Amino acid sequence: EVQLVQSGAEVKKPGESLKISCKASGYSFTNYWIGWVRQMPGKGLEWMGIIYPGGSDTRYSPSFQGQVTLSADKSISTAYLQWSSLKASDTAVYYCVRKIAAAGAAFDYWGQGTLVTVSS
Amino acid sequence: DIQLTQSPSFLSASVGDRVTITCRASQGISSYLAWYQQKPGKAPKLLIYAASTLQSGVPSRFSGSGSGTEFTLTISSLQPEDFATYYCQQLNSYPWTFGQGTKVENK
Repeated sequence: EVQLVQSGAEVKKPGESLKISCKASGYSFTNYWIGWVRQMPGKGLEWMGIIYPGGSDTRYSPSFQGQVTLSADKSISTAYLQWSSLKASDTAVYYCVRKIAAAGAAFDYWGQGTLVTVSS
Repeated sequence: DIQLTQSPSFLSASVGDRVTITCRASQGISSYLAWYQQKPGKAPKLLIYAASTLQSGVPSRFSGSGSGTEFTLTISSLQPEDFATYYCQQLNSYPWTFGQGTKVENK
């Protein structure tokens, strides 16, 4: 069974750093792109970026380029989303997603979400 | 960036109704469109990809159609568990984008 299990909720102060994780199981981690999607409170979905764990190829949405860093450790089948300096506007639920292998296809599996709260 | 505009943004319907949601793209995206369902406090769930391919395990009352710039999601007979918010997403070109969502409420 494919599963994406994310790390728990975080409460941070502005300016702090953070790295959240997404552990994959039930499939070959290096054969599928893993992405991240943001959902701010009461708002819609925003695609942040995607990484290919098999080769570390990475794509970022321009809205998030330079604001976050995506990485993956294939030895433990885990993807990461990282901030070096959080802002209050980073408060949101973050989902990791697996992309269907076919070109142009969608996100077939989603993690349960990680709530990040940034407040002074 | 490719913009996706869903209509309507809110929809009131009853169990058994036929429901149609439209997603329009600001430029052609071939058939690289997906539909998701999200219930409060839960992660979105994939319903349809490649505009019309039903994801495994999704009930056949859900269907998708369209290509180019106009797409539709149809629920042939609304069930109680279908009250949720629905999003379209284009994966034709970076950055991938989502529509603003359509909330389907119980009339």
